[in-house]
Amino acid sequence: TQLLEQSPQFLSIQEGENLTVYCNSSSVFSSLQWYRQEPGEGPVLLVTVVTGGEVKKLKRLTFQFGDARKDSSLHITAAQPGDTGLYLCAGVRFEGAQKLVFGQGTRLTINP
Amino acid sequence: DAGITQSPRHKVTETGTPVTLRCHQTENHRYMYWYRQDPGHGLRLIHYSYGVKDTDKGEVSDGYSVSRSKTEDFLLTLESATSSQTSVYFCAISEGLSSYNEQFFGPGTRLTVL
Repeated sequence: TQLLEQSPQFLSIQEGENLTVYCNSSSVFSSLQWYRQEPGEGPVLLVTVVTGGEVKKLKRLTFQFGDARKDSSLHITAAQPGDTGLYLCAGVRFEGAQKLVFGQGTRLTINP
Repeated sequence: DAGITQSPRHKVTETGTPVTLRCHQTENHRYMYWYRQDPGHGLRLIHYSYGVKDTDKGEVSDGYSVSRSKTEDFLLTLESATSSQTSVYFCAISEGLSSYNEQFFGPGTRLTVL
């Protein structure tokens, strides 16, 4: 059972366009993290959102945590080829350790 | 970069053989995790450790065992590998239990079971 549904799973757009990736769940999480993964490497943390309704910006990337702490979105403005990669959302739970529940991932391709 | 290494980086084995993957950290972090990554599933937690000799199961633990005899090493063992265990395996470490704690991931091990 996939507790976090991430969409779309694949997205190919032109440089300069805007895009949004969604991460939805019926479960409440302590926080939500977004990771980016390059081919042949492990995921690297981009941001953590903790408070319901929280918005964080990282240059052209805007991350939002839903008011009920069940969903999140990643919006990229004026996408660039350097944004190409696999983006993963992960819900955080504390059950003996910090357990991450990952979405399926969004493979993003930005074409020049 | 967090000091996490995984070995081997690639392995091809046959069904029924035992396989051990090693994760080594130089950060002295308390928590260590093993995940597998498969298309359409993201990463799924196999086992985790919250201290030396303290381990517990994750969501996909069947067919896997782990051991942690030293802070820096976390071993994942497939007692009798099956084709369904063909995957990319990632080790991760984290320092504590804050909501802001980041998990640092190793480079991964690509395992193929024929």
